[in-house]
Amino acid sequence: QQQVKQSPQSLIVQKGGISIINCAYENTAFDYFPWYQQFPGKGPALLIAIRPDVSEKKEGRFTISFNKSAKQFSLHIMDSQPGDSATYFCAARSPQNSTLTFGKGTMLLVSP
Amino acid sequence: DTGVSQNPRHKITKRGQNVTFRCDPISEHNRLYWYRQTLGQGPEFLTYFQNEAQLEKSRLLSDRFSAERPKGSFSTLEIQRTEQGDSAMYLCASSLVEGLTEAFFGQGTRLTVV
Repeated sequence: QQQVKQSPQSLIVQKGGISIINCAYENTAFDYFPWYQQFPGKGPALLIAIRPDVSEKKEGRFTISFNKSAKQFSLHIMDSQPGDSATYFCAARSPQNSTLTFGKGTMLLVSP
Repeated sequence: DTGVSQNPRHKITKRGQNVTFRCDPISEHNRLYWYRQTLGQGPEFLTYFQNEAQLEKSRLLSDRFSAERPKGSFSTLEIQRTEQGDSAMYLCASSLVEGLTEAFFGQGTRLTVV
């Protein structure tokens, strides 16, 4: 049973456009929702994260929107750049052991 | 010490051989996690340590897998009698226990079983 569902699987956006990746979770006990960026051959790097008592968090060009009642959250990348081309993972943290449950990832390609 | 360090970065081994990976966490982090990532998938939790104690193991961690964290510092993950299905990226992450702190991942060890 997949506890964190991520969509789309892949995304192509033109340079300067907005990239939007969505995630839905099932376990209401999750207490922290990070997004990770991963380049080929590298480990995931934390991009931005949000707690469930906050509806939106913005850091530079990256924004997380969080809808607790719908159990959904999304990542928006404004003014997308070719350097943003990577795989993005949403995750949710279990409070009991701080382990992360990841979505399956979204491969983003920003065309020049 | 600027991050989580994993060695080796790549490992190719023949089926049936044993392999061992090492993870050096961020020095002040007392939690250490092992995850496995297969192609096209997100990382999946394997096991974690708080200091030297191994507190939880996932169902993914078969009895051929063993992890240790002697003295609560670096950790090793050993796979015995490797199988082709073990081919994956093995990721280590570390974090602090206290507070809402992030988990920082290493670069991973890419295992290929031939």
